[in-house]
Amino acid sequence: GENVEQHPSTLSVQEGDSAVIKCTYSDSASNYFPWYKQELGKRPQLIIDIRSNVGEKKDQRIAVTLNKTAKHFSLHITETQPEDSAVYFCAASKGMGNSGYALNFGKGTSLLVTP
Amino acid sequence: GAVVSQHPSWVICKSGTSVKIECRSLDFQATTMFWYRQFPKQSLMLMATSNEGSKATYEQGVEKDKFLINHASLTLSTLTVTSAHPEDSSFYICSASRQIPNYGYTFGSGTRLTVV
Repeated sequence: GENVEQHPSTLSVQEGDSAVIKCTYSDSASNYFPWYKQELGKRPQLIIDIRSNVGEKKDQRIAVTLNKTAKHFSLHITETQPEDSAVYFCAASKGMGNSGYALNFGKGTSLLVTP
Repeated sequence: GAVVSQHPSWVICKSGTSVKIECRSLDFQATTMFWYRQFPKQSLMLMATSNEGSKATYEQGVEKDKFLINHASLTLSTLTVTSAHPEDSSFYICSASRQIPNYGYTFGSGTRLTVV
């Protein structure tokens, strides 16, 4: 099955700096790569996603890049703010076009943004 | 749109009893529902995949007789934890995939189960 590796497990940055979280996946058939932010006791919240036919996507301070050849994708957060502090999960799925495939999650990154 | 309602949000039960968790898709048809378990400070681990009208598919290491999943309609899937033990205490969350209007996954709000 799909194996998603995520690094680092913890990340501490100063407010205003950038944060980068990286993930690799094993199944070349994966075609959908979302990133989630999860606060304690809450459901994962989608912050950005990318499909396999796109190399980069940006939404304000958040961007995601995908390298299909190397099977890795990264989350970039610029101008970090204290409210960005949370646990971030990457995930991969080959479910686009077929609803029967689940998301496989990385182990998560605990991001701390200090003022 | 694309809302999944999950109940209860939290439950405390005694060892040996059973607990049922419900997930309802409110404004779309959830052909497939995925059930995850999340222990503190860990990731979401897929337990099983349920399809409307058929038996669930369980991940390796998940006891199907302990975690009963029923997906009787396109809008309702249930997870019953039978003969619960303290080690079953966890955060359980469901997720449904959707194709229309945009591909993605919708998560329920999660259920915090504590077995005492």
